[in-house]
Amino acid sequence: DADVTQTPRNRITKTGKRIMLECSQTKGHDRMYWYRQDPGLGLQLIYYSFDVKDINKGEISDGYSVSRQAQAKFSLSLESAIPNQTALYFCATRVMNTEAFFGQGTRLTVV
Amino acid sequence: GENVEQHPSTLSVQEGDSAVIKCTYSDSASNYFPWYKQELGKRPQLIIDIRSNVGEKKDQRIAVTLNKTAKHFSLHITETQPEDSAVYFCAVPYGGSQGNLIFGKGTKLSVKP
Repeated sequence: DADVTQTPRNRITKTGKRIMLECSQTKGHDRMYWYRQDPGLGLQLIYYSFDVKDINKGEISDGYSVSRQAQAKFSLSLESAIPNQTALYFCATRVMNTEAFFGQGTRLTVV
Repeated sequence: GENVEQHPSTLSVQEGDSAVIKCTYSDSASNYFPWYKQELGKRPQLIIDIRSNVGEKKDQRIAVTLNKTAKHFSLHITETQPEDSAVYFCAVPYGGSQGNLIFGKGTKLSVKP
């Protein structure tokens, strides 16, 4: 679904580096989400946003920060990456009480 | 916060059998209940959803049932096929404006030919 686009798709970074994952959407949805997926742990919510002025922490926000630069853009930052942040990251968008649409995912490896 | 429990974590069935996955939640204000399918190496995609004003919804071989009193909903797949093999997730929105969308830990379904 090209309506929700994540960049980069794959990234290898070193411990202690700052890294930003980007998400953009053309669906016009107000709500945007960042999830982390680890094997056996499902999708864990990191942050979510209703609009550019409304940012909310999710289940596992420690070590992460976000920025909603515009209605259509929501970025996730790791200020100082650590190996246990190695995971598959998904961005998603939705409107209230409807389905969430996911981006293709970003596979991040911290060495 | 919301507590979403999904069972079983793995499920293996023979082709043609039925599969049932159950999800329980804690926030009685939740009113939208989706199920997602994630094939290997792909993103999760919605397969069926139900709103709190109905108890059951069907779409060909898949159905979802909702028991709001007991706070659980279930995914039913009949006449399973090998292409149904995937990880399935339930999700529950809660909190202000139902904005917080929490997923269960997933069920890996394997359908053996």
